[in-house]
Amino acid sequence: GESVGLHLPTLSVQEGDNSIINCAYSNSASDYFIWYKQESGKGPQFIIDIRSNMDKRQGQRVTVLLNKTVKHLSLQIAATQPGDSAVYFCAENMAAGGTSYGKLTFGQGTILTVHP
Amino acid sequence: KAGVTQTPRYLIKTRGQQVTLSCSPISGHRSVSWYQQTPGQGLQFLFEYFSETQRNKGNFPGRFSGRQFSNSRSEMNVSTLELGDSALYLCASSSPGTSGVNEQFFGPGTRLTVL
Repeated sequence: GESVGLHLPTLSVQEGDNSIINCAYSNSASDYFIWYKQESGKGPQFIIDIRSNMDKRQGQRVTVLLNKTVKHLSLQIAATQPGDSAVYFCAENMAAGGTSYGKLTFGQGTILTVHP
Repeated sequence: KAGVTQTPRYLIKTRGQQVTLSCSPISGHRSVSWYQQTPGQGLQFLFEYFSETQRNKGNFPGRFSGRQFSNSRSEMNVSTLELGDSALYLCASSSPGTSGVNEQFFGPGTRLTVL
């Protein structure tokens, strides 16, 4: 079945370091991927997305890399700050088939802790 | 522009009761999706509504239902509550076209505790 999985549940970094959060997905038909950040007591907040026709997309301090060959997604955060501490989720969607309206399949999440 | 709002924020119920949660999407958004978040299962898709029609449904029992009104506001209902229904229920809205692919904006969630 469809699944998106994270293998590293926790990541601790020092302020100013770069962080890399990884995600493996199993559904090769997925064509849209998103990274969300969730802080305690809040709903997930959109960080960046990428479609399957791209390998890389950059935002402000964040970069998402997509490797369709090995079905791997990563989120890179540059110059990590204490405010980046949160749980990070990857999510996937199969948009092209028209059968996954509004349905995101989420990974289990990675807890990022940034130490000052 | 106001974000997605969910009411109530916290709710305590007992087993066997039923509950209704409400979600108001971002103005202009016509798609509303619901998710259940638990420590053990993570974020799981419940269903999605667009223009008052359920377009997609996750693998949850029939005790979980929802609806959408003409103003795009949505409600979800859980009947005959079980202890395992304790979770954070999240609503997300988006403004997709027929492709269904658009950024989903999440509300803060409703924390349901079943005793």
